[in-house]
Amino acid sequence: DVVMTQSPLSLPVTLGQPASISCRSSQGLESSDGNTYLHWFQQRPGQSPRRLIYRVSNRDSGVPDRFSGSGSGTDFTLKISRVEAEDVGVYYCMQGTHWPWTFGRGTKVEIK
Amino acid sequence: EVQLVESGGGLVQPGESLRLSCAASGFTVSNNYLSWVRQAPGRGLECVSVIDISGGVYYADSVKGRFTISRDNSKNTLHLQMNSLRSDDTAVYYCARGGASHWGQGTLVTVSS
Repeated sequence: DVVMTQSPLSLPVTLGQPASISCRSSQGLESSDGNTYLHWFQQRPGQSPRRLIYRVSNRDSGVPDRFSGSGSGTDFTLKISRVEAEDVGVYYCMQGTHWPWTFGRGTKVEIK
Repeated sequence: EVQLVESGGGLVQPGESLRLSCAASGFTVSNNYLSWVRQAPGRGLECVSVIDISGGVYYADSVKGRFTISRDNSKNTLHLQMNSLRSDDTAVYYCARGGASHWGQGTLVTVSS
C-alpha cells in the first residue's frame, strides 16, 4: 500500500499567519492517464471531511482562495496564506492513484 | 445539489452482520465512482471499498471477503453489506462520491459484546 506521511502532525498557528502542511507518498502518484490523484481534506470538529483541493492544486467550489495546493511526484504541500479561526480542524492528504486509496494520519491545526 | 445520506448503522455483536445504505441525490450513482470510508473513534480515515463506473469493485485487505459493496441504480443508492463483523470494524462509515468530492454525514457502527 502507498504510505502517505504528513508533517507536522500538530500545527499551532497564530491568526492571520500562514501555515503549511507537507505530505509525502511512498510511491509516485502520477497515474497512467497523466493525472495525479492527490487530494486534501479538512475535517472540522464533529463534522464530515470536506475536500478542499483535488488533483494537487485545484480548489473545490466554495473553498477560500487562501487555501492552495502544490507538488508533484511524491512531495505535496497544502498552504493556508492567512489562517482564520474557522480553519481549525484536522487536515488529511489522500492518494487516489493506487488501490487501496490511502490517507495521511492527519495534521491538527489549532490556534495559538 | 449533491447529497449523500447514510443509514443502517447500529450496535451489533461480533460475528453479526449489518447493511449500510447511502441514498444519493443531485447526481446518478451509475455514472460515478462511489466509496465507503470509515473513521474509527479518534482515529484517521480508511477507504474500505470502491465501486467504479463499470461496476468494478475494490476492497481494503482489512475487509476483503467480509464486506460487499453494491449499488441499486433504480433507487440511486449505494450499499455496503458487512458480514462477520469484528470489534475493529467499529467506526463511523461515510459514503463519498468520486474522488471523495462529496461526503455524507456518516453512520456509526459499533461492534461489541
